[in-house]
Amino acid sequence: EIVLTQSPGTLSLSPGERATLSCRASQSVTNSYLAWYQQKPGQAPRLLTYGASSRATGVPDRFSGSGSGTDFTLTISRLEPEDFAVYYCQQYGSSPRTFGQGTKVEIK
Amino acid sequence: EVQLVQSGAEVKKPGESLKISCKASGYRFTNYWIGWVRQMPGKGLEWMGIIYPGDSDIRYGPSFQGQVTISADKSISTAYLQWGSLRASDTAMYYCARHGEGADYWGQGTRVTVSS
Repeated sequence: EIVLTQSPGTLSLSPGERATLSCRASQSVTNSYLAWYQQKPGQAPRLLTYGASSRATGVPDRFSGSGSGTDFTLTISRLEPEDFAVYYCQQYGSSPRTFGQGTKVEIK
Repeated sequence: EVQLVQSGAEVKKPGESLKISCKASGYRFTNYWIGWVRQMPGKGLEWMGIIYPGDSDIRYGPSFQGQVTISADKSISTAYLQWGSLRASDTAMYYCARHGEGADYWGQGTRVTVSS
């Protein structure tokens, strides 16, 4: 089973700032099958990026994913008020399709 | 438009059985994996398992193998998650999600509360 470790646990930033979220895998993720999700309170998760760097339909271009192998990053170039939420990475290259434990992006 | 509509909230007693559902529409049900994710109160997402309705191939996460059963009825484009004997620790929100590239569409969630 691939274990995904996200850091930091909490990121305190102001609107307009840049957010950099990390996801590290315990072994290489097959074909960079790594996705990022956003979850707001009381809502289902929403797919942001897949295949490490492809944006899902309708996702603003301030969200970008990068990385390969065992190290992946989600960058939010300029935080908007609606971006304060919890973010999860997930690998779907092998079963079980594990999630990271999440990074909370909160308003500073 | 792709939609996943889950069954309503459930309140059960320990030891009772339960089957929740996820009805898919707007795409060919047999062509995509569909899976289940648990979220315990105040906690993160846990991948439970996944089924390919086209051939009923099923994969379970290690923590859920033997604890739940995932199934699908392709005649009505519906996936299911069931328990034979619920425990208080099964109290959680359960989401179904279609798996294309990543989990691209999600149901609204089914809240399951298990309490005596």
